[in-house]
Amino acid sequence: EAGVTQFPSHSVIEKGQTVTLRCDPISGHDNLYWYRRVMGKEIKFLLHFVKESKQDESGMPNNRFLAERTGGTYSTLKVQPAELEDSGVYFCASSQESGNSPLHFGNGTRLTVT
Amino acid sequence: AQKVTQAQTEISVVEKEDVTLDCVYETRDTTYYLFWYKQPPSGELVFLIRRNSFDEQNEISGRYSWNFQKSTSSFNFTITASQVVDSAVYFCALRERDNYGQNFVFGPGTRLSVLP
Repeated sequence: EAGVTQFPSHSVIEKGQTVTLRCDPISGHDNLYWYRRVMGKEIKFLLHFVKESKQDESGMPNNRFLAERTGGTYSTLKVQPAELEDSGVYFCASSQESGNSPLHFGNGTRLTVT
Repeated sequence: AQKVTQAQTEISVVEKEDVTLDCVYETRDTTYYLFWYKQPPSGELVFLIRRNSFDEQNEISGRYSWNFQKSTSSFNFTITASQVVDSAVYFCALRERDNYGQNFVFGPGTRLSVLP
C-alpha cells in the first residue's frame, strides 16, 4: 500500500510569494491532517479534514493559510503571501477512523521563505 | 488542556548503551491514546507504538520497550543496546478521545545521538 505522499519535498520562495503544498493520503483514509514544525520546535497541529469537510482548523495561524480537500481525496495547503516565519517543515498525515488509529505521516515539505 | 513534556532535549550515548527517553503527559480525559514516533535524519515521521489508557501493560519489540505508568502520567521509551541507526528525534504524542477534536499533541522531541 502506498503511504502518504507530499509534494514538493522542498520549496524555496521569496517573502510575499505564494506556495501550494500537496498531500495525497493513504487510499481509504477519511481523516487527513496538516502539521508543521517551525525552527526545530514542536510539531504543531494546523487542521483536520474528515473527507472533504474541515473538522478542526483551530491550529491555522492566520488567514494567509488556506487548506482544501475537494472531493475528499488529496489536499492542498496554500500560503499566500508567504512570510519569513512560515519557514519550516509541513507534514501531512492520514488515518482511518479516529480514536486509537495512528497517524501515518508523509515525508514532509520543507518550506524556506527568504 | 492536553500537554506532552519531553524533558530531555538531547541525549548522546555510545553504541551498545541502553537509553531511556522520558515522556510525561497531562490530560483530563479518562480515555486517551499515547504514541511514539521516530524522525530519522531523512525527515519522515515513523510510527513506533500506540497505547490506550486502559492498557498499562509494558511492551517490548526487539530492542525497544515502553513503560506506561498512569500513576505518574508517564510513557517512557527504552532502547536497549543502542545502535547508530537509532540516531533520530523521537516524539511522544497524546490523543484524547473527546468531542473537541481528534488531533494529536506532540511533545517537543528528544534528539538521540548514538555514537560509534
